[in-house]
Amino acid sequence: GEDVEQSLFLSVREGDSSVINCTYTDSSSTYLYWYKQEPGAGLQLLTYIFSNMDMKQDQRLTVLLNKKDKHLSLRIADTQTGDSAIYFCAVGASGAGSYQLTFGKGTKLSVIP
Amino acid sequence: EAGVAQSPRYKIIEKRQSVAFWCNPISGHATLYWYQQILGQGPKLLIQFQNNGVVDDSQLPKDRFSAERLKGVDSTLKIQPAKLEDSAVYLCASSLSGLGYTFGSGTRLTVV
Repeated sequence: GEDVEQSLFLSVREGDSSVINCTYTDSSSTYLYWYKQEPGAGLQLLTYIFSNMDMKQDQRLTVLLNKKDKHLSLRIADTQTGDSAIYFCAVGASGAGSYQLTFGKGTKLSVIP
Repeated sequence: EAGVAQSPRYKIIEKRQSVAFWCNPISGHATLYWYQQILGQGPKLLIQFQNNGVVDDSQLPKDRFSAERLKGVDSTLKIQPAKLEDSAVYLCASSLSGLGYTFGSGTRLTVV
């Protein structure tokens, strides 16, 4: 099955850029996602990228995809204290008539004021 | 649009008791998912419904977990009997086309 790996922790200073990395194993993945989870809350979809793209920018968020290396990254520009949360990488693939997401363990981003 | 509703928000039970969680997806979303998120881990898919039919329940521990989605709208997930290792957040998600799930806030289950 699909395996999605992320580093567990990242600490940055307010105003700096944050880069969260993710690697995956299934080359048949179609869409790749970044979700944000704040304490006690469900997962909020931040952004996604189609597997035939290599970059997508959405305001302060930039997603980079290296399909050859199966590496996905999320860059948050001008990181704010409100960005402190757990960020999950998720990989979508179809199989057996269903479309499913497989999640990494999440990267806890701590923003230092 | 209204989000995915889940209840209860929190539940504490003793081991070997039974418990049920409820989910109301976004109106019109045909696909519904139940995920289990153990503390410190990413969500793991338990079961996927397409309308009122099960698409994938390969990771559902069927000796103690069951789920149904009558009439293709609301869904319930039941655990009977519960074990200590079932302590987790149970997340329900729905999607229209399979892309970009919308998650509910989850039910935090503590088994003591």
